Amino acid sequence: DAGVIQSPRHEVTEMGQEVTLRCKPISGHNSLFWYRQTMMRGLELLIYFNNNVPIDDSGMPEDRFSAKMPNASFSTLKIQPSEPRDSAVYFCASRRENEQFFGPGTRLTVL
Amino acid sequence: GENVEQHPSTLSVQEGDSAVIKCTYSDSASNYFPWYKQELGKRPQLIIDIRSNVGEKKDQRIAVTLNKTAKHFSLHITETQPEDSAVYFCAAHLGTALIFGKGTTLSVSS
Repeated sequence: DAGVIQSPRHEVTEMGQEVTLRCKPISGHNSLFWYRQTMMRGLELLIYFNNNVPIDDSGMPEDRFSAKMPNASFSTLKIQPSEPRDSAVYFCASRRENEQFFGPGTRLTVL
Repeated sequence: GENVEQHPSTLSVQEGDSAVIKCTYSDSASNYFPWYKQELGKRPQLIIDIRSNVGEKKDQRIAVTLNKTAKHFSLHITETQPEDSAVYFCAAHLGTALIFGKGTTLSVSS
């Protein structure tokens, strides 16, 4: 199994641009999570899905952030418009039962 | 919602010493407590976990203890080695989501 796959691995964009981060969970995992990691705030849970349904999006910082999971093998996190304070590493993770596995992350830099 | 506090934020030890990281959680309904290790520039990786029906679990040089009454759990690393240097995160499972502590940066000097 390839594990959780994220793309792109690095993204540099300018303020105001739309950013789309992608995630492919581990096959058979029914829960998917988006986290944001910064030095100041640590690992923050943004949103999670169970069986493709968004369960809790209370961690999404603003309306500029949105996430979708159209099927069991794909999810996106979109930021529109992006701002410099959105610069962070964004991790996707998937889980079946208790064990949760992280993807390699997307390092986002907004100039 | 669940809140996880982790201490210390940084920990420096000499090679061969033991290291202990402590976490507390707020929701007594939490029933699963994993620990993740994150090396610089890498993803967090699960190193050990404990469920609420167990008080202690050991895997070679690492062990985790859980005190449900006090709502705290700890990670113990014995005979530390330089490759143990990393950021360690505790987490508590509430419902489906894992809530993470802020992390402990462990530095092991040889």
